[in-house]
Amino acid sequence: ETGVTQTPRHLVMGMTNKKSLKCEQHLGHNAMYWYKQSAKKPLELMFVYSLEERVENNSVPSRFSPECPNSSHLFLHLHTLQPEDSALYLCASSQDPDRPYEQYFGPGTRLTVT
Amino acid sequence: AQSVAQPEDQVNVAEGNPLTVKCTYSVSGNPYLFWYVQYPNRGLQFLLKYITGDNLVKGSYGFEAEFNKSQTSFHLKKPSALVSDSALYFCAVPKGSGTYKYIFGTGTRLKVLA
Repeated sequence: ETGVTQTPRHLVMGMTNKKSLKCEQHLGHNAMYWYKQSAKKPLELMFVYSLEERVENNSVPSRFSPECPNSSHLFLHLHTLQPEDSALYLCASSQDPDRPYEQYFGPGTRLTVT
Repeated sequence: AQSVAQPEDQVNVAEGNPLTVKCTYSVSGNPYLFWYVQYPNRGLQFLLKYITGDNLVKGSYGFEAEFNKSQTSFHLKKPSALVSDSALYFCAVPKGSGTYKYIFGTGTRLKVLA
């Protein structure tokens, strides 16, 4: 798990705030992912980046904006969130997005929207 | 459509007893099947995967899983449970074309009682 780091680990923000989540992978992987984990719901894939190009956007509201400046870093920019956006946001990486390689997850950011 | 099902929300087992966490799948073509574990306040950790070959797959922390094609199951097992195995367990399967899309089960909470 130390191969993928996420900051901050906890975030409380108001609905009018703007904040960013950061993810960094130290594994030399080519693909990075954002997931949302809510209580009693399956893990939801939000975005996928392959070699810094976004290849998946799973009908995520525009108040979530991803950015992948290079293959090691991934950001999730947040603005005007809703209380239902409170969840654990997980970043993951994998070696190759086109093969069934396992994904390595960061510890997550626990987001609370007030 | 590809899918996985974890029929049990929670499994309780006494320390030292064998444990089984169940997963059934529905896939077209050759199945690639994964197990992940999530400890409290942590991201998911890869345990093991089945791609091809032996039906019994060995993974991290003494866990193993048995691929059963006739029963379309991929149950996670461990001969002797530890209290530290208490966690949330997810099985997963690639969604199909574009193997970076994974479908995760709803999770099974394992509680090992001392």
